[in-house]
Amino acid sequence: SQQGEEDPQALSIQEGENATMNCSYKTSINNLQWYRQNSGRGLVHLILIRSNEREKHSGRLRVTLDTSKKSSSLLITASRAADTASYFCATDTGSARQLTFGSGTQLTVLP
Amino acid sequence: GAGVSQSPSNKVTEKGKDVELRCDPISGHTALYWYRQSLGQGLEFLIYFQGNSAPDKSGLPSDRFSAERTGGSVSTLTIQRTQQEDSAVYLCASSSTGTLNQPQHFGDGTRLSIL
Repeated sequence: SQQGEEDPQALSIQEGENATMNCSYKTSINNLQWYRQNSGRGLVHLILIRSNEREKHSGRLRVTLDTSKKSSSLLITASRAADTASYFCATDTGSARQLTFGSGTQLTVLP
Repeated sequence: GAGVSQSPSNKVTEKGKDVELRCDPISGHTALYWYRQSLGQGLEFLIYFQGNSAPDKSGLPSDRFSAERTGGSVSTLTIQRTQQEDSAVYLCASSSTGTLNQPQHFGDGTRLSIL
């Protein structure tokens, strides 16, 4: 199975609600990144959290990292229809020269 | 342009033909990555370039796949004798260095369809 796996696979919420997506991984990491992908487009980097950090904020985004549970969560507060996209976590394990991406969470924000 | 540019944006070809996909990274970015994304799936790593050399080709699925990068800039991914299972979106990304604590900047991909 993949190093990074997002949960849930799909999430549908109303505009204004908060959206929480989770990422679990199997081996120790140096850092973890979250990306967003709009339909038909490339991925856009959202936030990077290092293994020695527990929480990070960027605008309406809040990322947490629990290395003991090998998991991370992405919280989008006060969601907007424009937040509709797929969200991917990507891990740097330090043993490879590339990031390992999960299979993503498809978020739909209903107006 | 300021971002990563990929061409063509769409390619439809017959099984058995060769295809060439192009990636123009952000100017000055030394690291370049190719990924493959099947419908509704995550990204599958193909190959990584640091400058013109490819320290990691571990993701290339078969010897029908090859890639090169010239002048530390443009990269081409070539698929020979295409098969239907090669149908996917091929994404290119670049980053300022080859360290993985830098964000990767993606192009919008080439959607490849093999008939």
